[in-house]
Amino acid sequence: AQSVAQPEDQVNVAEGNPLTVKCTYSVSGNPYLFWYVQYPNRGLQFLLKYITGDNLVKGSYGFEAEFNKSQTSFHLKKPSALVSDSALYFCAVRALYGNNRLAFGKGNQVVVIP
Amino acid sequence: DAGITQSPRHKVTETGTPVTLRCHQTENHRYMYWYRQDPGHGLRLIHYSYGVKDTDKGEVSDGYSVSRSKTEDFLLTLESATSSQTSVYFCAISDMNLTDQETQYFGPGTRLLVL
Repeated sequence: AQSVAQPEDQVNVAEGNPLTVKCTYSVSGNPYLFWYVQYPNRGLQFLLKYITGDNLVKGSYGFEAEFNKSQTSFHLKKPSALVSDSALYFCAVRALYGNNRLAFGKGNQVVVIP
Repeated sequence: DAGITQSPRHKVTETGTPVTLRCHQTENHRYMYWYRQDPGHGLRLIHYSYGVKDTDKGEVSDGYSVSRSKTEDFLLTLESATSSQTSVYFCAISDMNLTDQETQYFGPGTRLLVL
């Protein structure tokens, strides 16, 4: 069965500083990896995904993520955080070959301090 | 929210009553999902559907049933609501095509309180 760990409950960062949200995963075989963002009282919005190809994936709102197979990680990054990036971020994984169920992490609350 | 609506958006009910939540999509996507979101648990899959009248259980399916009589609608029923089913419920859709490659897109959610 697949699983995701997001080790930090909350990430605090000053506006303008780099933002990193960590994600490690466990899955049989090759993974599909996703990042979603949730603003208060809203549904989850898709940010980016890794399926195959380049290990560095670029997504919406200036976010990017790097797939590292040896470390089974898929950390989300943004070079310069904005106050509007304050939200809940979820990492998710599914096996490349298998059913299309996603396993979600518990989420990371990101607080960008002005 | 990617052509997905959920109704109702908020509901308060009493223990022991049946409750039905509706998810409606206008994207003609094949797959539909129901999740619940609880603090400290992230999102957990309740049931999903891979086509009309084709459904399967997720990791937290006890006390829930689903039906999909047409592509655009996926209903979640709490057969006899309990306080442990107080949660925020999200519907999601996905499809197998070159553009989306099975990315799941989420509805706005239904906040359910069981008293």
